[in-house]
Amino acid sequence: DTGVSQDPRHKITKRGQNVTFRCDPISEHNRLYWYRQTLGQGPEFLTYFQNEAQLEKSRLLSDRFSAERPKGSFSTLEIQRTEQGDSAMYLCASSLVTGPPHEQYFGPGTRLTVT
Amino acid sequence: AQSVTQLDSHVSVSEGTPVLLRCNYSSSYSPSLFWYVQHPNKGLQLLLKYTSAATLVKGINGFEAEFKKSETSFHLTKPSAHMSDAAEYFCVVSGRNSGNTPLVFGKGTRLSVIA
Repeated sequence: DTGVSQDPRHKITKRGQNVTFRCDPISEHNRLYWYRQTLGQGPEFLTYFQNEAQLEKSRLLSDRFSAERPKGSFSTLEIQRTEQGDSAMYLCASSLVTGPPHEQYFGPGTRLTVT
Repeated sequence: AQSVTQLDSHVSVSEGTPVLLRCNYSSSYSPSLFWYVQHPNKGLQLLLKYTSAATLVKGINGFEAEFKKSETSFHLTKPSAHMSDAAEYFCVVSGRNSGNTPLVFGKGTRLSVIA
């Protein structure tokens, strides 16, 4: 399978703990996006990278959220000092800069539960 | 700023009858518009996209959508519903002329198909 993969698929953590999620994009895609989806809502954009550069991060929900894409391939999303309100599905997507505009391919998501 | 409004949170149809999922958009740019589908425990999948070519767009699984600028609408239709169409559907807008604009999702419409 050469689609977008995310790991882990599920994460249960206690409030106050740090969590890190990984996303592996489609191999030739140079753009990578993170979204959050809460119950009953559509995905909400958080941040995105073009190669290793983070081009938009103002939509990250707080300074507890950070993302990296150190070598322009996989990316990690970290949430520090988790809160119950962080419980959600975290989605990763990738795309090409050239080609069909804004056609993004999504991974299966990481479901986070904060207890 | 771009936004989409999905007019129905839940639509229920009988198998074999037509499907209509309604979406209105607002965009400062000439928009790119998409419909994505999300089946339970699966990633978001692109159904179809409008990017300023033909206003009637055909997608996968027999779905199509018509871009109507005068009505700022992009409704999704299918002539005959199948049980496998039961899922969550998202109308999505992106500013085609702004490469840095992320996808903006509607809140979703849950489609139920009754046997």
